[in-house]
Amino acid sequence: NAGVTQTPKFRVLKTGQSMTLLCAQDMNHEYMYWYRQDPGMGLRLIHYSVGEGTTAKGEVPDGYNVSRLKKQNFLLGLESAAPSQTSVYFCASSYSSRTEAFFGQGTRLTVV
Amino acid sequence: QQPVQSPQAVILREGEDAVINCSSSKALYSVHWYRQKHGEAPVFLMILLKGGEQKGHEKISASFNEKKQQSSLYLTASQLSYSGTYFCGTAAGGTSYGKLTFGQGTILTVHP
Repeated sequence: NAGVTQTPKFRVLKTGQSMTLLCAQDMNHEYMYWYRQDPGMGLRLIHYSVGEGTTAKGEVPDGYNVSRLKKQNFLLGLESAAPSQTSVYFCASSYSSRTEAFFGQGTRLTVV
Repeated sequence: QQPVQSPQAVILREGEDAVINCSSSKALYSVHWYRQKHGEAPVFLMILLKGGEQKGHEKISASFNEKKQQSSLYLTASQLSYSGTYFCGTAAGGTSYGKLTFGQGTILTVHP
């Protein structure tokens, strides 16, 4: 069972470059989430989705866009990367907000 | 808004007990608890869905006080394997339906 898979696992970007992080889940979950993790800040919610074709802003959405065109995939885009977006990004999915969330292994992004 | 966890860090010797608290300024729909080891993804511990609910997981248990919008995680007779960062996650209803936000984490270190 793959569970939640994030691609890529590591990436180095130059300031101003763009990229897309892919999150794929094979559990038929409705809910998907993108978080960023920085030292001392915990897991901060960037965007989330409660179903195919829907997205909503989390706590720190600025500088990021998302899309949920297929139920199993949740894409996180950075249009113009900034050093402040250097972080570890985690994707998660669940049946609902009242059930266990499964996390991917994370993507370590460095913007120089 | 992220829930607030306390304390920020705890240092224990094997066999000692600890309590981690989680509070929110908003009405809670559910409370999640996760543990994260260094360099790994968060792993689910338990979820509480109703006020007054208590759950146990071997020597780790939790309670949920819906009226006070608080939850506590109890670790008894700690083991070396309990070391890690503990996160509480809270889900709200209403216009924020589906939104799962996490606290800043509590670093637990267990020494022999």
